[in-house]
Amino acid sequence: ELKVEQNPLFLSMQEGKNYTIYCNYSTTSDRLYWYRQDPGKSLESLFVLLSNGAVKQEGRLMASLDTKARLSTLHITAAVHDLSATYFCAVDFDAGNMLTFGGGTRLMVKP
Amino acid sequence: GAVVSQHPSWVICKSGTSVKIECRSLDFQATTMFWYRQFPKQSLMLMATSNEGSKATYEQGVEKDKFLINHASLTLSTLTVTSAHPEDSSFYICSARGTTSGSIYEQYFGPGTRLTVT
Repeated sequence: ELKVEQNPLFLSMQEGKNYTIYCNYSTTSDRLYWYRQDPGKSLESLFVLLSNGAVKQEGRLMASLDTKARLSTLHITAAVHDLSATYFCAVDFDAGNMLTFGGGTRLMVKP
Repeated sequence: GAVVSQHPSWVICKSGTSVKIECRSLDFQATTMFWYRQFPKQSLMLMATSNEGSKATYEQGVEKDKFLINHASLTLSTLTVTSAHPEDSSFYICSARGTTSGSIYEQYFGPGTRLTVT
């Protein structure tokens, strides 16, 4: 069964703190995506990770992929309120035919 | 580049009526389009995959006679919710993938359509 699990599902943190969101998946894949969703909005693409060891950074967010461990992480550095949103990882198990989404991590950054 | 639009952005309809949602790739040719459904505070669930000129492939548990998908051109796919009921109320999101978009590995998501059935 193709499964993608994120944890935590909900994260409340103070501004300035660091934290990591984890994304585990069940079957071999080397294509993993991170998205942000604001309330009432669609998905905004954050990162596309296409190989083992891939690391990408944008601002206070950094994503990495370990295909051997079937694990991706989204690290938040010195969080700010504007990062409050729901973050989804998604895995392409079938070479571009479909994405399987994790359950999402709802992040609240308190000022 | 790689912009996907949806219309309408929100719609309210009465139970028993049908609603059509359009998904367009504005600046690239979408060989494949995907339709997702999202309930409040939940993740996205793939409903169906459609390839231009062929029948859509529906995920298990999705009624193909209720959710009619047409992908008649390389820039347009439509989802028609037939005989809508309140339980069909949801956020419907399409995405598109094509060889002429920015990356063949990416799906580009539309802004979503919020359907409320009364």
